[in-house]
Amino acid sequence: ILNVEQSPQSLHVQEGDSTNFTCSFPSSNFYALHWYRWETAKSPEALFVMTLNGDEKKKGRISATLNTKEGYSYLYIKGSQPEDSATYLCAFGGGSQGNLIFGKGTKLSVKP
Amino acid sequence: DGGITQSPKYLFRKEGQNVTLSCEQNLNHDAMYWYRQDPGQGLRLIYYSQIVNDFQKGDIAEGYSVSREKKESFPLTVTSAQKNPTAFYLCASSIYRGPYNEQFFGPGTRLTVL
Repeated sequence: ILNVEQSPQSLHVQEGDSTNFTCSFPSSNFYALHWYRWETAKSPEALFVMTLNGDEKKKGRISATLNTKEGYSYLYIKGSQPEDSATYLCAFGGGSQGNLIFGKGTKLSVKP
Repeated sequence: DGGITQSPKYLFRKEGQNVTLSCEQNLNHDAMYWYRQDPGQGLRLIYYSQIVNDFQKGDIAEGYSVSREKKESFPLTVTSAQKNPTAFYLCASSIYRGPYNEQFFGPGTRLTVL
């Protein structure tokens, strides 16, 4: 059974703090790594789809890196704002026809 | 606006009843998915469909059934055979099935068995 682990499970930061969290996934048969943001009472939304080792993606204050050889991805948020409060999901795509395997998520709370 | 709709938002069911959760998309996506979320768990795949009139079991298909008669619609039936159906159900779609394509999600249906 393929396992996707996210850490920490939850995180509480103050507005303005920068933060990061980790997604660990199998290093073999890698095709893609997805990050989604899931705000309370809303639908999960895609942040990044990463496919190449060494990939770095950025959207505003949020960025992500990818290391497929060692099987991890980091998500960084610079200068957290209350509106960044959400659960951040990563999903591993293994196999050209494979389905996504989701981690349990990291729940971020940003206090004003 | 393009998107995915799910209905109802909340659903209550008595034990022994079948219930059907609706999922509709107007994104013109070929692939659609049903996930289940339980507290402390990641999203788990119930069923997926790559194209109209085709669907495949995911990791936890027992006690569920689906149909894909139209491209836009992928309803999920939770049957009385599902032993623990109380959960949050998410429907998603992507342009095609495969690991490279981002998935678009609906707002979810929370099912409670009384």
